[in-house]
Amino acid sequence: DTAVSQTPKYLVTQMGNDKSIKCEQNLGHDTMYWYKQDSKKFLKIMFSYNNKELIINETVPNRFSPKSPDKAHLNLHINSLELGDSAVYFCASSQERGAGRFFGPGTRLTVL
Amino acid sequence: SQQGEEDPQALSIQEGENATMNCSYKTSINNLQWYRQNSGRGLVHLILIRSNEREKHSGRLRVTLDTSKKSSSLLITASRAADTASYFCATVGSQGNLIFGKGTKLSVKP
Repeated sequence: DTAVSQTPKYLVTQMGNDKSIKCEQNLGHDTMYWYKQDSKKFLKIMFSYNNKELIINETVPNRFSPKSPDKAHLNLHINSLELGDSAVYFCASSQERGAGRFFGPGTRLTVL
Repeated sequence: SQQGEEDPQALSIQEGENATMNCSYKTSINNLQWYRQNSGRGLVHLILIRSNEREKHSGRLRVTLDTSKKSSSLLITASRAADTASYFCATVGSQGNLIFGKGTKLSVKP
């Protein structure tokens, strides 16, 4: 069984559109994350979330918002997509914030 | 902000050789982690070393940590073609945030 899954794997869309990426983990972890990997393979934390606390990287535009319907899911909503949003987005989870992360397979977003 | 810096950026070796990758960081840490990323895939957690540990082993992997020099190294012994991937170090500070370096791209030739 896949530990951390994301859908879709690929997402191609036009500038200005609104899109969502779904993430689910079946590990029973309390904390979930969203990371962005740019074209140079640099990984940047976007959000860290557990049932008590949402921590937002201050450099993330407010067009990006995480939504967590329950402990096992953390979806990423992006409004008014821009060309610079093109990247690979990874969901991850961990038992606690200092522990190793389990990553999903990634969603490659291309904004045209 | 970026914390770790891996060195070298790219490494090409023959199968059977050992591969050593280094990571330097700037601020104090609770632990340091190494990850592998195969092309087009997600990251896989390899090993975590705490700030009070100096060395850790996992199979063919050996990680060292020198907090006085703010550096870590990852050694892969007897490398295989399947070890071809990018390797990232990541540090965890007191707030629990995981901050990644830029990665080392390892190519193991059969």
